[in-house]
Amino acid sequence: EVQLLESGGGLVQPGGSLRLSCAVSGFTFSTYSMSWVRQAPGKGLEWVSGISASGGSTYYADSVKGRFTISRDNSKNTLYLQMNSLRAEDTAVYYCAKDPYGEYFEYWGQGTLVTVSS
Amino acid sequence: QSALTQPRSVSGSPGQSVTISCTGTSSDVGGYNYVSWYQQHPGKAPKLMIYDVTKRPSGVPDRFSGSKSGNTASLTISGIQAEDEADYYCCSYAGNYLKVFGGGTKLTVL
Repeated sequence: EVQLLESGGGLVQPGGSLRLSCAVSGFTFSTYSMSWVRQAPGKGLEWVSGISASGGSTYYADSVKGRFTISRDNSKNTLYLQMNSLRAEDTAVYYCAKDPYGEYFEYWGQGTLVTVSS
Repeated sequence: QSALTQPRSVSGSPGQSVTISCTGTSSDVGGYNYVSWYQQHPGKAPKLMIYDVTKRPSGVPDRFSGSKSGNTASLTISGIQAEDEADYYCCSYAGNYLKVFGGGTKLTVL
């Protein structure tokens, strides 16, 4: 059974930092690309960032470029999202997703809520 | 990258068919055969329903189908059921690993 389990969300002040993790099981993690997708309260979905299977290539939405860093540890089957210089508009549920070919999101985690507020 | 355009809401009675449209540009929907559709029930994670415009993952009922013409993709649900009531999002590949979502459509089963 495929499982993706996000953690690391919480309340942070504007300008602060947070690191999200996504622990994966049920498929060969090191073989597939992965992505982070977020959803602001009551709003739609937004692709945030993606990473190749090896971790050698990373991609970002313009809204987070220069502030967020995606990475992965294939030995630990874990995906990360380092979020710096957080803004109120980054408040959202953050989902990790298996992005097998860089074209669609096959499996999703349950999400972790990030709230940026003073 | 602008969001894809979906109707805010659609509705239908059980057994009827409904179609949700998703309009983009030649840089996303029209430029690639990589449109996907997601179903999201309240408080739950999205679920993949259609990928590569027309393909259904294992376990998705065959009443769900996808198509595309030009810059507009469509999701059709034939013979809708009560459990189909949810939000539906389209998504398109937009080049260089970028993906863009639609704003979402709320399906109400009357």
